[in-house]
Amino acid sequence: AQSVTQPDIHITVSEGASLELRCNYSYGATPYLFWYVQSPGQGLQLLLKYFSGDTLVQGIKGFEAEFKRSQSSFNLRKPSVHWSDAAEYFCAVGTGGGADGLTFGKGTHLIIQP
Amino acid sequence: SQTIHQWPATLVQPVGSPLSLECTVEGTSNPNLYWYRQAAGRGLQLLFYSVGIGQISSEVPQNLSASRPQDRQFILSSKKLLLSDSGFYLCAWSDGMNTEAFFGQGTRLTVV
Repeated sequence: AQSVTQPDIHITVSEGASLELRCNYSYGATPYLFWYVQSPGQGLQLLLKYFSGDTLVQGIKGFEAEFKRSQSSFNLRKPSVHWSDAAEYFCAVGTGGGADGLTFGKGTHLIIQP
Repeated sequence: SQTIHQWPATLVQPVGSPLSLECTVEGTSNPNLYWYRQAAGRGLQLLFYSVGIGQISSEVPQNLSASRPQDRQFILSSKKLLLSDSGFYLCAWSDGMNTEAFFGQGTRLTVV
């Protein structure tokens, strides 16, 4: 069975600084990988996804992520964070074409310092 | 475009009372539908998924049940709520061709 680890429960970043959120997955085949963002009391919004092809994927709100098969990682990055980026971020893995849902990490809470 | 609606947004229910949360999807047909529960610090836990009318798969044995009476309607129910059923419940759909999921706004359930 697949699994996702987000090793950082909380991360604090100054506004304007760069950001990297870590995600490691475990899955025997080529994974489908996702990053979602959740504002307090809201549903999840898809930031970006990786299915195949270019390992550096661009998403909404200036985010990008890089798939590294050798490290089983899919880290999320942003060159300059804004106060509005404060939220909970979830990495997820899917098995590709299956109907049995995504497996999520426990999330990383991002705090932006002024 | 596709939209997903989930209600109510918040709900406070006494222990032992019944529960019914509803989710509907518009703008697509034959979606895969999902119920997730989110507890603080524990990420999202898949509770049920459905690939068609009347077809429900349960991921975790519990006090809850799900039904899909229509193609784009997914209902989460309980006959008797427990304190441990408190949490944030999220409905989601995918088109079945890839596993990208689209989420509703969630229901905050507090059992008192």
